[in-house]
Amino acid sequence: EAGVVQSPRYKIIEKKQPVAFWCNPISGHNTLYWYLQNLGQGPELLIRYENEEAVDDSQLPKDRFSAERLKGVDSTLKIQPAELGDSAVYLCASSLGGASYNEQFFGPGTRLTVL
Amino acid sequence: AQSVSQHNHHVILSEAASLELGCNYSYGGTVNLFWYVQYPGQHLQLLLKYFSGDPLVKGIKGFEAEFIKSKFSFNLRKPSVQWSDTAEYFCAVILYGQNFVFGPGTRLSVLP
Repeated sequence: EAGVVQSPRYKIIEKKQPVAFWCNPISGHNTLYWYLQNLGQGPELLIRYENEEAVDDSQLPKDRFSAERLKGVDSTLKIQPAELGDSAVYLCASSLGGASYNEQFFGPGTRLTVL
Repeated sequence: AQSVSQHNHHVILSEAASLELGCNYSYGGTVNLFWYVQYPGQHLQLLLKYFSGDPLVKGIKGFEAEFIKSKFSFNLRKPSVQWSDTAEYFCAVILYGQNFVFGPGTRLSVLP
């Protein structure tokens, strides 16, 4: 079974440029998460989807970040415009359902460097 | 707000030494607890989890963790570490219906 797929794995952009990350969750997983992980810290949730609905986006900086999950499968996270402080690893995870006890499976992440 | 703390930022051990990584959380209600591991260059993987029942939980690769409710702790242990255990370890806590809260992580370096 394929795991969570993310692309690109690495991205280097200049500040004020837009950037987008793509995530394909494990087949059948209804819940999808985007996390931000800074160096030396644990992942921090940005947004959680149940199917195509964003059920928790309280931590998403909506002035520059946006996300979508059309058709409840793949998801895209966008930053526009990027700032120096956005340099981090962006992780996507998926789980079977919204129940809190379901294990989350993580993708390899996209390492973003903003110059 | 719910928070998770991990006692050590960086732990250095020799092979065959015993390991204990501390994890404490701040919420007093019913929680589910997890330990994830991130090997160098790899993605986060689940080591073990606790939902209910026996507070001593066994995971993969010889790891175990003990849930002590009175101490709000979920410490990770391994009796004898190997060089291949070198990784970053994250404790995570979730309340029913809420989101995962991860600790800051502990980096383990095992010297051959």
